[in-house]
Amino acid sequence: QQPVQSPQAVILREGEDAVINCSSSKALYSVHWYRQKHGEAPVFLMILLKGGEQKGHDKISASFNEKKQQSSLYLTASQLSYSGTYFCGTESRDSWGKFQFGAGTQVVVTP
Amino acid sequence: DAGVTQSPTHLIKTRGQQVTLRCSPKSGHDTVSWYQQALGQGPQFIFQYYEEEERQRGNFPDRFSGHQFPNYSSELNVNALLLGDSALYLCASTWRGLAYYEQYFGPGTRLTVT
Repeated sequence: QQPVQSPQAVILREGEDAVINCSSSKALYSVHWYRQKHGEAPVFLMILLKGGEQKGHDKISASFNEKKQQSSLYLTASQLSYSGTYFCGTESRDSWGKFQFGAGTQVVVTP
Repeated sequence: DAGVTQSPTHLIKTRGQQVTLRCSPKSGHDTVSWYQQALGQGPQFIFQYYEEEERQRGNFPDRFSGHQFPNYSSELNVNALLLGDSALYLCASTWRGLAYYEQYFGPGTRLTVT
C-alpha cells in the first residue's frame, strides 16, 4: 500500500526550514528518501532502518518513528539546490525488497 | 565508477507491439528493480531481480516480464503495449551491506505508446 506524503507542495525562501511527512499503514522495515529534479532520475538521500534513528545529508535530516510507522524529512536552512520533488519509499516487513513510493512533495526554494 | 545505465533513452512504439528495455546496475550491485513512473506520480514498483530470479513483484499484469543475467544486468519486457503503458521506466540497483543499503536509480527510458 502506497505511503501518504504531506504536504503535496511547499514554497520556501532561501534559508527557511520545512518538514515533509510520510506515513504508512503497514509495519515498516525501512524508509528511503529521494529527491527528483525535473527530467532527472530520483537521487537517493538517505535510508532509515531503526525506530527513532536520524540520518543526515548536508542540512537535510530525517527521523523514523517505528511505532507510528511515520518518517519526517527536515530541510534546514534551505538552499536553491533543494528544489525538486521529494519522495519517500517504504519497505514493509512482510515484503522485503518491494518498495512503495509516495506521491511526492514538490519543494520550491526561491531567492 | 559508472552509475546505473539504461537503454534506450527514448522509445516510441505502437499499441500492440512489444518492447524490451535494458539496464546495467552500478558496479558491485547485485539486485535490480524496475519501476514505472507516470507524469507527476511517484515510481510504481514492477518487480525486483536477485540472483537471476524474480524476488518481488508489484501489481502489474503478466504482460510485464523481466530477466536478470549472470552479470547482474537486466531486461524489462512489455508485451501487447497499451496507451496507458506510456511512462518513464526506471531501473534501480541496490547495494546491501550488513546494516545499511542504498538504492540508486538510472536515468530512465521514456516510452511513448501511440
